[in-house]
Amino acid sequence: EAGVTQSPTHLIKTRGQQATLRCSPISGHTSVYWYQQALGLGLQFLLWYDEGEERNRGNFPPRFSGRQFPNYSSELNVNALELEDSALYLCASSLGEQSPYDNQPQHFGDGTRLSIL
Amino acid sequence: AQTVTQSQPEMSVQEAETVTLSCTYDTSENNYYLFWYKQPPSRQMILVIRQEAYKQQNATENRFSVNFQKAAKSFSLKISDSQLGDTAMYFCAFRGETSGSRLTFGEGTQLTVNP
Repeated sequence: EAGVTQSPTHLIKTRGQQATLRCSPISGHTSVYWYQQALGLGLQFLLWYDEGEERNRGNFPPRFSGRQFPNYSSELNVNALELEDSALYLCASSLGEQSPYDNQPQHFGDGTRLSIL
Repeated sequence: AQTVTQSQPEMSVQEAETVTLSCTYDTSENNYYLFWYKQPPSRQMILVIRQEAYKQQNATENRFSVNFQKAAKSFSLKISDSQLGDTAMYFCAFRGETSGSRLTFGEGTQLTVNP
C-alpha cells in the first residue's frame, strides 16, 4: 500500500512569489492535514480538509490556503512568499472525520522543503 | 488551548540500554489521545505509539511503552533495548475533542543511540 506522497521534494522560490505544494493521501483516507515545521518553531498545524471541505485552520495568515480535490488529494498554496515561510511542509492523511474516540492516527508524507531566497 | 512540552532537547543512550523521553501537556479536556512520533533524518514522521486518555492501561508496542499519568498530565516514552535505528527526533503529540482533529506537537527530543 502506497503511503502519503508529497511533491515536489524541494522547492526554491524568491520573496513575493507563490508556491504550490501537493499531497496524495493513502488510498481510502479522506482527511488531509497540512503542518509547517520551521526551524526552531516545531510543528504547527496549518489546515485540515475532509471530504473536500476545509474543517479547521491554524493560526496562519490568509495567504496560506489550500483545497482538496474529489480524489482526496490536496494542494497547499502560499502567496506572497516571505523569508519566514522557509520550512518543511508535512502532509498527513487519515480515515474520515475523526471523533475524539476514534483511534485512527495520522500518517505523514516525507514533506516538501520550501526555501525562500 | 492545549500545550505540549518536551523538556529534553537532546538525549543519548548506549545501544541495548533503556531510555525514557519525557512529555507533559496541559489541557482542560477530559477525552483526548496522545501520540509519540519519530522523525529520522529521512524526515518522514512515523507513528511509534498511541494512548487513549480513557484507558488506564499503558500502551505497549514491542520495545516501546508509555507511562501515562493522567492526573499529572504526563506521557513519557520508554524505549527498551535501544537500537541504532532508533536514532531520530521524537515528538509527543496531543489530539483533543475540541481540537478538530489537529495534532498539537511538543518541541521534540533528539535521541542518539551510540554503538
